[in-house]
Amino acid sequence: DVKVTQSSRYLVKRTGEKVFLECVQDMDHENMFWYRQDPGLGLRLIYFSYDVKMKEKGDIPEGYSVSREKKERFSLILESASTNQTSMYLCASSSAWGRQTYEQYFGPGTRLTVT
Amino acid sequence: QKEVEQNSGPLSVPEGAIASLNCTYSDRGSQSFFWYRQYSGKSPELIMSIYSNGDKEDGRFTAQLNKASQYVSLLIRDSQPSDSATYLCAVRSGGYQKVTFGTGTKLQVIP
Repeated sequence: DVKVTQSSRYLVKRTGEKVFLECVQDMDHENMFWYRQDPGLGLRLIYFSYDVKMKEKGDIPEGYSVSREKKERFSLILESASTNQTSMYLCASSSAWGRQTYEQYFGPGTRLTVT
Repeated sequence: QKEVEQNSGPLSVPEGAIASLNCTYSDRGSQSFFWYRQYSGKSPELIMSIYSNGDKEDGRFTAQLNKASQYVSLLIRDSQPSDSATYLCAVRSGGYQKVTFGTGTKLQVIP
């Protein structure tokens, strides 16, 4: 089974803090993704990575950055947290090859509250 | 126009009935189609993927794809209260690694 883990289930941070969210997958997937999910807005892509050290902006990259130094690990960084970044953050991974191509598997999510 | 559209619901069906969930997409070049189930407070879980026109069955679930009409659906036979969740449709356009998600349809199965 694909396993995607995220560093925290719940996180509370103060406005202006730098926040790190980590995601690790154990299936040797090439692609990794960061989404945020808000009521009524659905899943919105923040950034994705298709290889180590490679990244591409998604639909809402402003205020976020990412890092992928190893294939299994993809980090999301909030440079200076703001209250409008309070949300559920979901990491996903997918393979670029084979039978399960592009099927995305999600981690459990991190509910971030910025006060 | 949204790229992937779903009726937000809630869709209420009695236990044992067939639940029919629908999704339309705007990009005619879309290649891959996915259905996810999301329980409240949990992350999305992949149920089905479908890549070619027609039906694909897996247990009580059937995915149907009609590329000419840009339409994909999910049928759940013998619906159970445990099927109550939000169902997300996701579509991948050709040549891209990412997928676009609909906002989901909330399904309620009434015992």
